[in-house]
Amino acid sequence: DSGVTQTPKHLITATGQRVTLRCSPRSGDLSVYWYQQSLDQGLQFLIHYYNGEERAKGNILERFSAQQFPDLHSELNLSSLELGDSALYFCASSVGEDTIYFGEGSWLTVV
Amino acid sequence: QQQVKQSPQSLIVQKGGISIINCAYENTAFDYFPWYQQFPGKGPALLIAIRPDVSEKKEGRFTISFNKSAKQFSLHIMDSQPGDSATYFCAARKGGGADGLTFGKGTHLIIQP
Repeated sequence: DSGVTQTPKHLITATGQRVTLRCSPRSGDLSVYWYQQSLDQGLQFLIHYYNGEERAKGNILERFSAQQFPDLHSELNLSSLELGDSALYFCASSVGEDTIYFGEGSWLTVV
Repeated sequence: QQQVKQSPQSLIVQKGGISIINCAYENTAFDYFPWYQQFPGKGPALLIAIRPDVSEKKEGRFTISFNKSAKQFSLHIMDSQPGDSATYFCAARKGGGADGLTFGKGTHLIIQP
């Protein structure tokens, strides 16, 4: 158990809908990262928040947004969902620069 | 543009053998190179990592070899065991820690008993 908690574990929704994925980082970790894993694109970095502020953006679509709250938990919002958004979404956290711990992911299926 | 290229895609090794997975990177700004292990239904877990100021790092049965001039690094798993059967990802990150990890496509490793 990495200590990073993600909910929900599985989610099925229709195209055009909006979903929110939630992440609780390890105790004491100020950094939260979001990644998307799919068969065709592999593991891709989406966005990084540090202590409530956005630090870096990766391949995150404009339809996607994230935020980190004062209690350090984070949410990834996915809107106007398309079939191609079906993937495993990981949250990860770290206290320093190096060791990044991943949660077990949220499986999103768009039908 | 694939910044981290990983090979092979899949690998079958006999129990007790050495598993070798290779990665090559393009961006010379990368300064942190971790390897992650992922089991089905689980998130990636950090296995071992290296910075470019050393050419080799060993932790138990796992060794990273790093060649800065060739922009290549590899993972060696000695005395491979069936429990090592998993997907392995190499990754790289630029200095400063703000950017996320850039991952290779992964290697599906099967250790045959």
